[in-house]
Amino acid sequence: DSGVTQTPKHLITATGQRVTLRCSPRSGDLSVYWYQQSLDQGLQFLIHYYNGEERAKGNILERFSAQQFPDLHSELNLSSLELGDSALYFCASSVASLNTEAFFGQGTRLTVV
Amino acid sequence: QKEVEQDPGPLSVPEGAIVSLNCTYSNSAFQYFMWYRQYSRKGPELLMYTYSSGNKEDGRFTAQVDKSSKYISLFIRDSQPSDSATYLCAMISGGSNYKLTFGKGTLLTVNP
Repeated sequence: DSGVTQTPKHLITATGQRVTLRCSPRSGDLSVYWYQQSLDQGLQFLIHYYNGEERAKGNILERFSAQQFPDLHSELNLSSLELGDSALYFCASSVASLNTEAFFGQGTRLTVV
Repeated sequence: QKEVEQDPGPLSVPEGAIVSLNCTYSNSAFQYFMWYRQYSRKGPELLMYTYSSGNKEDGRFTAQVDKSSKYISLFIRDSQPSDSATYLCAMISGGSNYKLTFGKGTLLTVNP
């Protein structure tokens, strides 16, 4: 167990809908990262928050947004969902901003039908 | 050209074999190099992290970095069936954007 908790584990929703994925980092970790994993693209970095502030953005669509709350948990919001958004979404956390030792959660498997 | 290239395999070896997993990269700004192991339906798990060129050993695992050739390797000695998983290389460039860039992963099966 990495100590990073993601909920829900599975999510099935229809196209056009909006969902929220939740991540609780390891105790003491200030950084939260979100990744999308699909078969054809592999693990793609979406966004990084450090102590409540956005630090870096990767290949995150405008339909997606995230935030990190004062208690350091983070949420990833996905809206106007398309079939191609079906993927595994991982959250990772690390103590510092430099994530050479990041710990990943078990992921949320999103299926858009 | 992708920033990080990794042979997806699959790679199948007998128990006890030495396994060599490799990644090449094109971005000379990459300074930090990691190997992750991912079991089916699980999150990636950090195996090793290296910074400089050369070798780093941890038990049965050895990570090797050659910055001049932009090439990194992970060697697994005395491979076990429990090593069967997907192995992902990952890299971070210097500067302020600590984006972790992953290879696509190599699927390894160790047969008893």
